[in-house]
Amino acid sequence: DMKVTQMPRYLIKRMGENVLLECGQDMSHETMYWYRQDPGLGLQLIYISYDVDSNSEGDIPKGYRVSRKKREHFSLILDSAKTNQTSVYFCASRRHPNSDYTFGSGTRLLVI
Amino acid sequence: TQTVSQSDAHVTVFEGDSVELRCNYSYGGSIYLSWYIQHHGRGLQFLLKYYSGNPVVQGVNGFEAEFSKSDSSFHLRKASVHWSDSAVYFCAASQTGFASALTFGSGTKVIVLP
Repeated sequence: DMKVTQMPRYLIKRMGENVLLECGQDMSHETMYWYRQDPGLGLQLIYISYDVDSNSEGDIPKGYRVSRKKREHFSLILDSAKTNQTSVYFCASRRHPNSDYTFGSGTRLLVI
Repeated sequence: TQTVSQSDAHVTVFEGDSVELRCNYSYGGSIYLSWYIQHHGRGLQFLLKYYSGNPVVQGVNGFEAEFSKSDSSFHLRKASVHWSDSAVYFCAASQTGFASALTFGSGTKVIVLP
């Protein structure tokens, strides 16, 4: 069953701590994405990865960085988390430009 | 600036009724449009897409959408809703032919009453 897996599902961190969100896909999709979802705002794009070590900023990259060392894994890193980074984070992958996204189930991050 | 607008934040319907969810976009060039559904606490699931050909596209579970270039719209419809259709629906758009990211609307929450 083709899928995108996100770990962890829930995470509580203190302000200033580092956060690592992991995403994996088993479909050999080249392109992967990180979005955050906040109430009333829909999904906002943080980063895109076109393949291994080929990443591009999205609309709201400030405070985030990413790592993609293997095609099947795409990590989102928050160095020194802030309370306004409390959100639900979604990873997605796409086979080719006109195909649909496959989304993970999300990581719910609370920064206190 | 490329934008996707969903004018209705909430829609309430009775089971068996029809529903139309509105989506308008502002994009230049060839466009890829899609709809996703998100049940409470879950990830987004693909419903349907359009990027060329017949402007009326069929999706899963009886959903369909119609692309209109003149109105810059891609409205989603279902003839007879079921209680399980209660969810948040997102319209999304990107340019075709590039590995560009989807821009999402703010979502429409649909509540289906018995």
